[in-house]
Amino acid sequence: GQQVMQIPQYQHVQEGEDFTTYCNSSTTLSNIQWYKQRPGGHPVFLIQLVKSGEVKKQKRLTFQFGEAKKNSSLHITATQTTDVGTYFCAEENSHFQGAQKLVFGQGTRLTINP
Amino acid sequence: DAGITQSPRHKVTETGTPVTLRCHQTENHRYMYWYRQDPGHGLRLIHYSYGVKDTDKGEVSDGYSVSRSKTEDFLLTLESATSSQTSVYFCAISGGGVTQYFGPGTRLTVL
Repeated sequence: GQQVMQIPQYQHVQEGEDFTTYCNSSTTLSNIQWYKQRPGGHPVFLIQLVKSGEVKKQKRLTFQFGEAKKNSSLHITATQTTDVGTYFCAEENSHFQGAQKLVFGQGTRLTINP
Repeated sequence: DAGITQSPRHKVTETGTPVTLRCHQTENHRYMYWYRQDPGHGLRLIHYSYGVKDTDKGEVSDGYSVSRSKTEDFLLTLESATSSQTSVYFCAISGGGVTQYFGPGTRLTVL
């Protein structure tokens, strides 16, 4: 089935450094969503990307969708301790009767040294 | 946070026993989903529901069944639990828009 590969699996940074996680596929992706999961918590929706080459920003977070729609990235500028958690990309793989089947990447776990 | 609860929040059981996890929502959302989360695999869809009594399989449905007899409740049953089903189980709901809202999760250990 469709696989979405996410790298790196882990990333440790000093507070104030930047962070990037990448989501890749060998085939063209449909829409991509990004989620954040704090330690011990549940995934929380961050954003949806739909268009080729799309760039969206949320404060220090920048989300990109590749021109060929085969990759996506999440970049955090000047990390803060509140950014700690695991970041997942998810492809909107298919829809049935309006239900949305998501295929998640493996996630990137971000830890920060204050 | 969306009004989603999961019960139990933690459960330890033995191989071969039946287990039922409950997801309850107060949002009157049409769509409900069950995922499992395991290290190195992200979240994987088990089953989903697109209405009362309307359910379908996800990518990892073997060994699991579901039921939805009313809008607010979506049950996940492991008929005969195995150690490979040790995982964290998340329920999610959606009103048909982009966002899925996740519940707090149930940590299941099968010994």
